[in-house]
Amino acid sequence: SQTIHQWPATLVQPVGSPLSLECTVEGTSNPNLYWYRQAAGRGLQLLFYSVGIGQISSEVPQNLSASRPQDRQFILSSKKLLLSDSGFYLCAWIILGGLAGVNEQFFGPGTRLTVL
Amino acid sequence: GDSVTQMEGPVTLSEEAFLTINCTYTATGYPSLFWYVQYPGEGLQLLLKATKADDKGSNKGFEATYRKETTSFHLEKGSVQVSDSAVYFCALKLDSSYKLIFGSGTRLLVRP
Repeated sequence: SQTIHQWPATLVQPVGSPLSLECTVEGTSNPNLYWYRQAAGRGLQLLFYSVGIGQISSEVPQNLSASRPQDRQFILSSKKLLLSDSGFYLCAWIILGGLAGVNEQFFGPGTRLTVL
Repeated sequence: GDSVTQMEGPVTLSEEAFLTINCTYTATGYPSLFWYVQYPGEGLQLLLKATKADDKGSNKGFEATYRKETTSFHLEKGSVQVSDSAVYFCALKLDSSYKLIFGSGTRLLVRP
């Protein structure tokens, strides 16, 4: 079965410090991978998605970057965190054209980031 | 552009009450429609889905019917439980796109 891991689960970082959040997927190959941010009490904002190794699409200009060094690994980074980067970060994957043609998206458990 | 609109929350109900959470969409094609649920402190889980008009998705007592004529996918449950307290997201996906488009989420609070 497919599983998706994120770590760390929670993180408290000072303003101006770097960030690295990791997401890995098991039990599947060549998935599309996504990073979302959910600010407190708000909906999901798509940050990045990747259709393959080294292929990153950015949805919104921001202080963050993403990389996909391996097929099943997706990393979210920042060189200098801002207060506004606080939130709940969710990684997700999808395989297009799955069973019955339904492209379901599966989410990881999330990382709660607090920037102080 | 393509979008999803959900009713604003929070929705507060007593246990065993009937639930409706409204969702309407705008799309240039024929999307697949989804409801996701997010329990406190967790990621999102797929609750149910529908891929074409008049399909009914159902799971755990929840139902939603894909209504093309009203571009809606309202979530319903006949008798809610305290354990249903969560945030519910409606979403759509076009076959031509890599992305899901989410609504803003609706928080449901069920009181004993």
